[in-house]
Amino acid sequence: GAGVSQSPRYKVAKRGQDVALRCDPISGHVSLFWYQQALGQGPEFLTYFQNEAQLDKSGLPSDRFFAERPEGSVSTLKIQRTQQEDSAVYLCASSFRTSGTSTDTQYFGPGTRLTVL
Amino acid sequence: GENVEQHPSTLSVQEGDSAVIKCTYSDSASNYFPWYKQELGKRPQLIIDIRSNVGEKKDQRIAVTLNKTAKHFSLHITETQPEDSAVYFCAALRRTGNQFYFGTGTSLTVIP
Repeated sequence: GAGVSQSPRYKVAKRGQDVALRCDPISGHVSLFWYQQALGQGPEFLTYFQNEAQLDKSGLPSDRFFAERPEGSVSTLKIQRTQQEDSAVYLCASSFRTSGTSTDTQYFGPGTRLTVL
Repeated sequence: GENVEQHPSTLSVQEGDSAVIKCTYSDSASNYFPWYKQELGKRPQLIIDIRSNVGEKKDQRIAVTLNKTAKHFSLHITETQPEDSAVYFCAALRRTGNQFYFGTGTSLTVIP
């Protein structure tokens, strides 16, 4: 594809609702990352996939956050029982090679802006 | 873990002047330092990067310098133009790590 895409671009949820955010990485990219970006801040790492394997989830803020990439392509970030503090832009990024063995450019998606009321 | 600090948080320059943004990092194992430009409501886009075996890299009006001893790196934009106005983020990646650590961003405004 032309780049990393994410959907929806905007999501409004009532506190307590579950949400699912989708990321379509660039075709063929092995690595996929999720970041959370609060207003006026830099992106903060949430989790990393190499193909379908979730190799690092150290940045997930609580057990309400869950991510998957079952076929090594599309990924979904799920947030259960959303709270107001979950309001942020959720960015997905992908890179071609395996991270950790080489430093490779990460290409970001446009993000999903989540607002929890 | 890594800690990346970025300064200044806001920067205004006259069109044609230079802009410099500085970042420091804490983890000596970090070896890759990209800079991203993010326009309002848009995705971060890589503008330049540098690896730890290089001290300086230049791409037209943009340059990045790295001082490994002092653990700091800087973005230099010369002959600034209004379209350079955006938020700029620095980041650091450890050699064996998976996650980028981002600075808090610098909002650059170029005044025509």
